Amino acid sequence: EDQVTQSPEALRLQEGESSSLNCSYTVSGLRGLFWYRQDPGKGPEFLFTLYSAGEEKEKERLKATLTKKESFLHITAPKPEDSATYLCAVPGGGYQKVTFGIGTKLQVIP
Amino acid sequence: ETGVTQTPRHLVMGMTNKKSLKCEQHLGHNAMYWYKQSAKKPLELMFVYSLEERVENNSVPSRFSPECPNSSHLFLHLHTLQPEDSALYLCASSQEMGHGYEQYFGPGTRLTVT
Repeated sequence: EDQVTQSPEALRLQEGESSSLNCSYTVSGLRGLFWYRQDPGKGPEFLFTLYSAGEEKEKERLKATLTKKESFLHITAPKPEDSATYLCAVPGGGYQKVTFGIGTKLQVIP
Repeated sequence: ETGVTQTPRHLVMGMTNKKSLKCEQHLGHNAMYWYKQSAKKPLELMFVYSLEERVENNSVPSRFSPECPNSSHLFLHLHTLQPEDSALYLCASSQEMGHGYEQYFGPGTRLTVT
């Protein structure tokens, strides 16, 4: 069965304090990995798709990387507006199914 | 309207009520999804529609009944729900069904069953 594990569950950073979120996965044949951001009371917002090990993508203060076993979401010099829950997800368990992790709740303190 | 919209945003219903959730996507996508999101649990896929045909019914109780009249609209009909059905219900769409297509989500309907 496909599994996605995210760590830590919660992370509190001072503004400007860089850090990384981890997403490890177990899936038979990686077909990509998605990162989403979810603000309280809202639906997830698509950030990145990574397709193969070694691939990297960036958006503002966020950089996502992928290896054969895990993905990292690096946050450089975060700002309070980066506070949100970050979800990763992998396709699998059926052609149409995407398995999501529980997410990492990030809080950036001014 | 842009993206994926959902109505209502909040719904409180008794266990004997019948209500419907509505989703509309303005992205020209061919696949639509219903998810359930509960606290401390990952998103649970409930139903998948591709070009108005139901593809997935992920062991969802019959008190949840989906309807997809066209590729832009998706409904979730609710009846005789249980308190444990209280959750955030999310609608999503993607260009096509299948691996590699990112999904775009609506804001969700916060459902409370009393």
